[in-house]
Amino acid sequence: RKEVEQDPGPFNVPEGATVAFNCTYSNSASQSFFWYRQDCRKEPKLLMSVYSSGNEDGRFTAQLNRASQYISLLIRDSKLSDSATYLCVVKRGNTPLVFGKGTRLSVIA
Amino acid sequence: DAMVIQNPRYQVTQFGKPVTLSCSQTLNHNVMYWYQQKSSQAPKLLFHYYDKDFNNEADTPDNFQSRRPNTSFCFLDIRSPGLGDAAMYLCATSRAPGTLNTGELFFGEGSRLTVL
Repeated sequence: RKEVEQDPGPFNVPEGATVAFNCTYSNSASQSFFWYRQDCRKEPKLLMSVYSSGNEDGRFTAQLNRASQYISLLIRDSKLSDSATYLCVVKRGNTPLVFGKGTRLSVIA
Repeated sequence: DAMVIQNPRYQVTQFGKPVTLSCSQTLNHNVMYWYQQKSSQAPKLLFHYYDKDFNNEADTPDNFQSRRPNTSFCFLDIRSPGLGDAAMYLCATSRAPGTLNTGELFFGEGSRLTVL
């Protein structure tokens, strides 16, 4: 079983839609959680950290459920520019980040 | 201004012909990483340096080597590229690990390797 699992998609949604991505992690010692965004043929970039109490950044909301070892990302009012792959990332202590395969989102006009 | 710079952006090589990819950073970060990413796959960590300490992932083939002559530069050497090594190679940096929630990696734009 991979350490970080994501639904690869693609998710094809119309502009203005709300879309949610899920991610599960297998190692209960994971301490820190992040969502990265990767545009086609570009490098990954940090989108947001995920805090235990959940956190919001504009149209983006991240949630963490430690008991279920589950992370989510909600995007409201989707824009064409949100089209990208969203990578779920976990960290344990001082070890390097572990990336999921990503979920591809296409927002359609 | 770009803070992590990779060269070349595109590299074409022949099967078995050695390749060196370079990475430089202006962030003065202690940690530098090399990731391999194939199409529709997660970035896969090959190795990383914490200052001069080299940390190899257990499943990184011997064909891949790295050098970090100073804080700013890191190189990835592929000694005998095979067809399966065609991928995007991403260099990244971070501050020293150890701070909870320090999860930001600063990536370069990547070097895309084609093996003929």
